[in-house]
Amino acid sequence: QQQVKQSPQSLIVQKGGISIINCAYENTAFDYFPWYQQFPGKGPALLIAIRPDVSEKKEGRFTISFNKSAKQFSLHIMDSQPGDSATYFCAASMKDNFNKFYFGSGTKLNVKP
Amino acid sequence: DTGVTQSPTHLIKTRGQQVTLRCSPISGHKSVSWYQQVLGQGPQFIFQYYEKEERGRGNFPDRFSARQFPNYSSELNVNALLLGDSALYLCASSLITANYGYTFGSGTRLTVV
Repeated sequence: QQQVKQSPQSLIVQKGGISIINCAYENTAFDYFPWYQQFPGKGPALLIAIRPDVSEKKEGRFTISFNKSAKQFSLHIMDSQPGDSATYFCAASMKDNFNKFYFGSGTKLNVKP
Repeated sequence: DTGVTQSPTHLIKTRGQQVTLRCSPISGHKSVSWYQQVLGQGPQFIFQYYEKEERGRGNFPDRFSARQFPNYSSELNVNALLLGDSALYLCASSLITANYGYTFGSGTRLTVV
């Protein structure tokens, strides 16, 4: 059973547009929600992360929106660039073991020039 | 800071064989975790080690085992390889817990034929 559900599977956005990727979870014990970016042939790299006591976190062009009551969180990439073309994964972990990440299935983003 | 180093980068094995994958964490990082990433899916947690002790185990058969050495490097062993074990195996290190920073290596691509 997938603990973290991610959508869409793929996304095409024009350069300068906003990319939005959504994730949902059921387990209320999750306490840490990171987003990772992965390029082909590389390991995932941390983009931005949030804890459930915050509804929004922004770092540069990347913003996480978190809705605790709906058990949903999303990644917004503003002013999307061709260099942002990669696969994005949401993840979640619990207080009893922050190192055990449950990853979503990934979203392949293609930013058209 | 040389990042997380994994070896080998690619490996081809035959069904039934055994394989050992190696990981050197970032200097000063005491926690190492292993993930399996099947093509087109998100990484799945296999093990976490901290201070040479197993601190977490995912839903993988006993054919998978790991250990951490006094210098905090780690090995992942997989016995009796199956075709379904073909995947990218990722190692991630963190100081203590992943909510303070979790860095992934580029992985070992294992192909079982």
